[in-house]
Amino acid sequence: GESVGLHLPTLSVQEGDNSIINCAYSNSASDYFIWYKQESGKGPQFIIDIRSNMDKRQGQRVTVLLNKTVKHLSLQIAATQPGDSAVYFCAEIVNGKSTFGDGTTLTVKP
Amino acid sequence: EPEVTQTPSHQVTQMGQEVILRCVPISNHLYFYWYRQILGQKVEFLVSFYNNEISEKSEIFDDQFSVERPDGSNFTLKIRSTKLEDSAMYFCASSEGGAGYEQYFGPGTRLTVT
Repeated sequence: GESVGLHLPTLSVQEGDNSIINCAYSNSASDYFIWYKQESGKGPQFIIDIRSNMDKRQGQRVTVLLNKTVKHLSLQIAATQPGDSAVYFCAEIVNGKSTFGDGTTLTVKP
Repeated sequence: EPEVTQTPSHQVTQMGQEVILRCVPISNHLYFYWYRQILGQKVEFLVSFYNNEISEKSEIFDDQFSVERPDGSNFTLKIRSTKLEDSAMYFCASSEGGAGYEQYFGPGTRLTVT
């Protein structure tokens, strides 16, 4: 069956450091992946996406890496700021259906 | 900046009652979605809707659930006979296109079934 998981439920970093959040997926048919950020009391917010025919995509301060060989996805946040504190989760999309991971809670210490 | 809105923010209902959760998607968006998130758990896909019909649905979206776009602006999720396990946050989302287009989420409706 499908499952999407994150390696660590919590991650604590110092302000200014880089953060890496990981996600493992199991469905090799997944053709599209998204990273979301969810702040307390709010809905998920799109951060960055990547298609299965790519292995890297960069945005503003964020980079997503996709390793299809080991079915692994990561989100890198450069120069992490207090406003980055939130729950981050990945989602894989297959045939229009999204499957979400559990989430990693990122805490940024000043 | 346009945003997805949802009402009510919190709905309390008794088991067996019908509830309707309302969403106003972003005006030029064509694809609409409902998700739920049970407290402390992952977000789960319920249904996607395009061109006035359901395009995809999950195993969770059984006969107790229905969606409707009654007019040009609202998108509703109806649960016919609520169960205790329906208690969750329900998120509506919309996008300009299908897969590959960014989905914009609303703030959610917290449904509590007692």
